[in-house]
Amino acid sequence: NAGVTQTPKFQVLKTGQSMTLQCAQDMNHEYMSWYRQDPGMGLRLIHYSVGAGITDQGEVPNGYNVSRSTTEDFPLRLLSAAPSQTSVYFCASSYFNSPSMNSPLHFGNGTRLTVT
Amino acid sequence: AQTVTQSQPEMSVQEAETVTLSCTYDTSESDYYLFWYKQPPSRQMILVIRQEAYKQQNATENRFSVNFQKAAKSFSLKISDSQLGDAAMYFCAYRSASAAGNKLTFGGGTRVLVKP
Repeated sequence: NAGVTQTPKFQVLKTGQSMTLQCAQDMNHEYMSWYRQDPGMGLRLIHYSVGAGITDQGEVPNGYNVSRSTTEDFPLRLLSAAPSQTSVYFCASSYFNSPSMNSPLHFGNGTRLTVT
Repeated sequence: AQTVTQSQPEMSVQEAETVTLSCTYDTSESDYYLFWYKQPPSRQMILVIRQEAYKQQNATENRFSVNFQKAAKSFSLKISDSQLGDAAMYFCAYRSASAAGNKLTFGGGTRVLVKP
């Protein structure tokens, strides 16, 4: 199994450009999410989805859009990149946890994005 | 909102010795989950250990163990018999048990250096 696959691994954008970070998982996980990692701040939740057709905002959603048309894919879109979006981005998935369940998050290997 | 604080930006340990990483969290909830993740230079996020708040017994995974102090809202990680492969960033994370899904709140991380 591939697990959680993120593409690309690295990307450089100019301010104002748009792009989509791809995330795909082959574990039939209902739950998928995007985090950004910045030095000293750990990982912060951008958007998440509890199933196809359902998305919601996390802690730092501004400047990012998501959609979930299939169970497998959860792309993250930057419509107009800004230098503040320079970061490492992680996609993570798991089975849907009810409050009493605790299936672990599976992470992709990250995308390092630089906006100049 | 919950917050997770890791007060040690960096810790250094001699190979074969023990190091303890600190983590405190702020929550008004009584039921939750706590995690330690390891991030080596490869950028991969690896689950090291997890603790359910309702369990009084501290979790242990081989050379990794936690000291969970619920009243003090403290969740430290002890790495025994440190190995060169333990060198990495370590993140403490919190998940509410009252919310569905799998949203984690991360601390800022502690870098562990292992000296041969």
